[in-house]
Amino acid sequence: GESVGLHLPTLSVQEGDNSIINCAYSNSASDYFIWYKQESGKGPQFIIDIRSNMDKRQGQRVTVLLNKTVKHLSLQIAATQPGDSAVYFCAENDGGATNKLIFGTGTLLAVQP
Amino acid sequence: DAGVTQSPTHLIKTRGQQVTLRCSPKSGHDTVSWYQQALGQGPQFIFQYYEEEERQRGNFPDRFSGHQFPNYSSELNVNALLLGDSALYLCASGVGARETQYFGPGTRLLVL
Repeated sequence: GESVGLHLPTLSVQEGDNSIINCAYSNSASDYFIWYKQESGKGPQFIIDIRSNMDKRQGQRVTVLLNKTVKHLSLQIAATQPGDSAVYFCAENDGGATNKLIFGTGTLLAVQP
Repeated sequence: DAGVTQSPTHLIKTRGQQVTLRCSPKSGHDTVSWYQQALGQGPQFIFQYYEEEERQRGNFPDRFSGHQFPNYSSELNVNALLLGDSALYLCASGVGARETQYFGPGTRLLVL
């Protein structure tokens, strides 16, 4: 069946270090991937997206890498800050006519001061 | 520029009751999707509305229904509430059917 999973449910990093959050997906038909950040009590906040015709995309302090061969997605956060503490979700579309998103269970990023 | 808004923010209902949740999409967006997020889980797709029609539906029973209005706002209705319907209900909006979706703050529903 369809699934998007995360390797690490909790990631603890020191302030100023780089963070890497990993995600595996199973649907070969997916052609669009998104990372969201969700703080406690809030809705998911868009961070960065990538289409399947790319293998890397950079934003402000964030980079998403896509490896279609092994169906793996990662989010790199540079110089992690306390404000980055949140649950991070990767999501993929289902490759259909709509942009139905399939989410993994999330990774909790805890930034230690 | 207002983002996606949802109302109410919190709601308490009892089993068997019916509930209506509301969503206004981000300015310029015409597609609305609804998701259910149980505690500690990722959001699960309920359905998507575009041009006032339901385009796609997830694995949710017919107790879950929706509507999209001409101004692109949307409602989610849940009938015959069950305890298991307690969750955060998220609305996401986008442009067309294959673009990035932006989420609202959600409505926290508690069924007693």
